[in-house]
Amino acid sequence: DAKTTQPPSMDCAEGRAANLPCNHSTISGNEYVYWYRQIHSQGPQYIIHGLKNNETNEMASLIITEDRKSSTLILPHATLRDTAVYYCIVRVGQEADGLTFGKGTHLIIQP
Amino acid sequence: GAVVSQHPSRVICKSGTSVKIECRSLDFQATTMFWYRQFPKKSLMLMATSNEGSKATYEQGVEKDKFLINHASLTLSTLTVTSAHPEDSSFYICSARLRGGELFFGEGSRLTVL
Repeated sequence: DAKTTQPPSMDCAEGRAANLPCNHSTISGNEYVYWYRQIHSQGPQYIIHGLKNNETNEMASLIITEDRKSSTLILPHATLRDTAVYYCIVRVGQEADGLTFGKGTHLIIQP
Repeated sequence: GAVVSQHPSRVICKSGTSVKIECRSLDFQATTMFWYRQFPKKSLMLMATSNEGSKATYEQGVEKDKFLINHASLTLSTLTVTSAHPEDSSFYICSARLRGGELFFGEGSRLTVL
């Protein structure tokens, strides 16, 4: 898996959009960008993934730059329950290997 | 979405005993499951890959005789921590892979060895 860089922590006010950046400057052409989050003392939860185009689902939006060297996960209306560690991972979509987790970003939603 | 369940969620045992943790895929068949370990305030570390009907593949530095993995069916993988010691206390998490490549994670099992 290509290396990713994320800020160690971020704060966001409840009700505002939370924008979590991720740098993946060495990403390969066949590698997807995946986002997972881990709420304290729980297993990781899949959020979203994308290859080139921006993606949106019921949880979040993923914005990938044209050169694919960075991306931003957007939680449009953050709630206290979104407080978690968010992991940005790049990997080949169909590969059989397990995920390699970095340190992630600890997002704290402030009331 | 796909559901992966782990049992037990918490276990406390005495040093020297063995502990078995189960990981089940509830609504899909998983030919491959993965086991992770997580220490407090640290990220998840992949321990091993569990393949149905064959031997598990362990990551470098993980003792295969210490952490026994059995993947006897397409919906169940087990991790047995043998002769557990306090340094084995950790949060153990499994994940299962759908055929399309998506990984889903269990709720985790917290092991405390006294």
